[in-house]
Amino acid sequence: EDKVVQSPLSLVVHEGDTVTLNCSYEVTNFRSLLWYKQEKKAPTFLFMLTSSGIEKKSGRLSSILDKKELFSILNITATQTGDSAVYLCAVPFKAAGNKLTFGGGTRVLVKP
Amino acid sequence: NAGVTQTPKFQVLKTGQSMTLQCAQDMNHEYMSWYRQDPGMGLRLIHYSVGAGITDQGEVPNGYNVSRSTTEDFPLRLLSAAPSQTSVYFCASSPPREYKGEAFFGQGTRLTVV
Repeated sequence: EDKVVQSPLSLVVHEGDTVTLNCSYEVTNFRSLLWYKQEKKAPTFLFMLTSSGIEKKSGRLSSILDKKELFSILNITATQTGDSAVYLCAVPFKAAGNKLTFGGGTRVLVKP
Repeated sequence: NAGVTQTPKFQVLKTGQSMTLQCAQDMNHEYMSWYRQDPGMGLRLIHYSVGAGITDQGEVPNGYNVSRSTTEDFPLRLLSAAPSQTSVYFCASSPPREYKGEAFFGQGTRLTVV
């Protein structure tokens, strides 16, 4: 059975800190790993990773995939209060179709 | 720029009632899905569709029906609501070509069953 596990469950940091979020997965027919940010409503897409060792960056956010060890990391540097959200990791769990298996999410609270 | 539109945003049902959650997308995406999200949990797949006329079950399909008569619309029906179906429901759509997982989500429907 495909599985995605995120850690930590939640964390509280102060503005300017760096946070590292973890996502490990067990899935057959790996195609990609996705990170989403969920504030109050719909998850919004951050990154899609398909290759090991290649870092994806968007401003203060970056992510990397390790296909050998089956995990991904999402880093947020110089955190701001607007980074407060639940961060979700997901993998498509079959080769075809649009079926995503999500991890339980990491809730990040950035205090001023 | 409508994207994925869900209605209603909020709904309260009594146990045993039925209702339909509406989802429409205007991006001509072939793939559409329904997820539910419970407190402290990630999203779990209820049903999905890879094109008009084709639907299949996801991880937690019991108590729900779907149909896909057009590319644009993918309604989710609760047949006889139960308190265990209290949740936030998200509809998502994805383009199929070179699909590797990115999905576009609606704003969600918060459903309470009393």
